[in-house]
Amino acid sequence: GNSVTQMEGPVTLSEEAFLTINCTYTATGYPSLFWYVQYPGEGLQLLLKATKADDKGSNKGFEATYRKETTSFHLEKGSVQVSDSAVYFCALSGGSYIPTFGRGTSLIVHP
Amino acid sequence: NAGVTQTPKFQVLKTGQSMTLQCAQDMNHEYMSWYRQDPGMGLRLIHYSVGAGITDQGEVPNGYNVSRSTTEDFPLRLLSAAPSQTSVYFCASSRGQYMNTEAFFGQGTRLTVV
Repeated sequence: GNSVTQMEGPVTLSEEAFLTINCTYTATGYPSLFWYVQYPGEGLQLLLKATKADDKGSNKGFEATYRKETTSFHLEKGSVQVSDSAVYFCALSGGSYIPTFGRGTSLIVHP
Repeated sequence: NAGVTQTPKFQVLKTGQSMTLQCAQDMNHEYMSWYRQDPGMGLRLIHYSVGAGITDQGEVPNGYNVSRSTTEDFPLRLLSAAPSQTSVYFCASSRGQYMNTEAFFGQGTRLTVV
């Protein structure tokens, strides 16, 4: 079956540091890949997505590239801000109606 | 555009009580689902529906019932609340039939069972 593995947190960074959150997946066929963000006290919302190999999703300075050869979709941002503090979920959709989510990675950014 | 609306936002129940968590979406999405979120466990799928009149179990269905009489609504019923059901519950919807579909989430219901 499908599965998503992402790095455990929390990830703690200083403002303006570089961010990478690793995500790898197992799936049959050609899934679509997503990053969702959950701010404190809120539901999840879509951050970015990629629907085929080598696609790059980007939004709000975050980027992730769909790497089929390494089955990865790592999230990156060049310079994080305090307001980026949140929980980030990697997810895939494909083969069924049910999306598969990773366990989430908490990001804490200090001033 | 309201999106996915969950009510209530907070609820305290006594052990053994029953209640219904409401979820409504106004995007005409076919697929709806319920998750619970617990510390260190990520999101776990409770029940889902691929259309009106069709429901199925997810990863952790015990103690919960669902029904889907309309496209818009997907209530989650706790039959006899237990402290292990203390959690944050999220409802989500998506178009469902496309490979690249994204999920839209409600704001969540924080449930405490005492």
